Amino acid sequence: DSGVTQTPKHLITATGQRVTLRCSPRSGDLSVYWYQQSLDQGLQFLIQYYNGEERAKGNILERFSAQQFPDLHSELNLSSLELGDSALYFCASSPDGASLGYTFGSGTRLTVV
Amino acid sequence: GEDVEQSLFLSVREGDSSVINCTYTDSSSTYLYWYKQEPGAGLQLLTYIFSNMDMKQDQRLTVLLNKKDKHLSLRIADTQTGDSAIYFCAESILDDKVIFGPGTSLSVIP
Repeated sequence: DSGVTQTPKHLITATGQRVTLRCSPRSGDLSVYWYQQSLDQGLQFLIQYYNGEERAKGNILERFSAQQFPDLHSELNLSSLELGDSALYFCASSPDGASLGYTFGSGTRLTVV
Repeated sequence: GEDVEQSLFLSVREGDSSVINCTYTDSSSTYLYWYKQEPGAGLQLLTYIFSNMDMKQDQRLTVLLNKKDKHLSLRIADTQTGDSAIYFCAESILDDKVIFGPGTSLSVIP
């Protein structure tokens, strides 16, 4: 157990739907990062939050949004889902920045049918 | 631009050494990392190296950094079947963004 908790582990939904992925960071970590892992695109950085504020944005689609709450857990919202959104979505956390590496959760596997 | 490249596959015999190579493009990298991903699991940080270091050793793992050539390698001594996994090279750059390579799938043949 890495200390980063992601729910749900698996999600199957239809095109056009909206889903919410949840992440609880490791105790004491203030930064949360979201990554998308797919076979053709590899591991793509989506967005970072630090202590409730957005800090960095990567290749995140406009249909996707995220937030970090006062208790530091984070949610990634994916809407108007397309078949191509099927992927593993990872959350990672760190005390502050990237310097000493991230702790990853075990991921949410999203399948859009 | 920011890019990290790795060969996609490596196969070694149990007991041999494995060497996984990585090249990166951003000269402002501050830290470089190796992560391991086992099937069905998230990425696990194996080791990291500061950009002003040449080498770091941690038990069976040796990391070599050639900053001039922007080349990073991970050597696993006495490779075991439990080392079979995907290994990701990654770099962090000045704004704390971490860029991951495509991953090298290591297969260990008993």
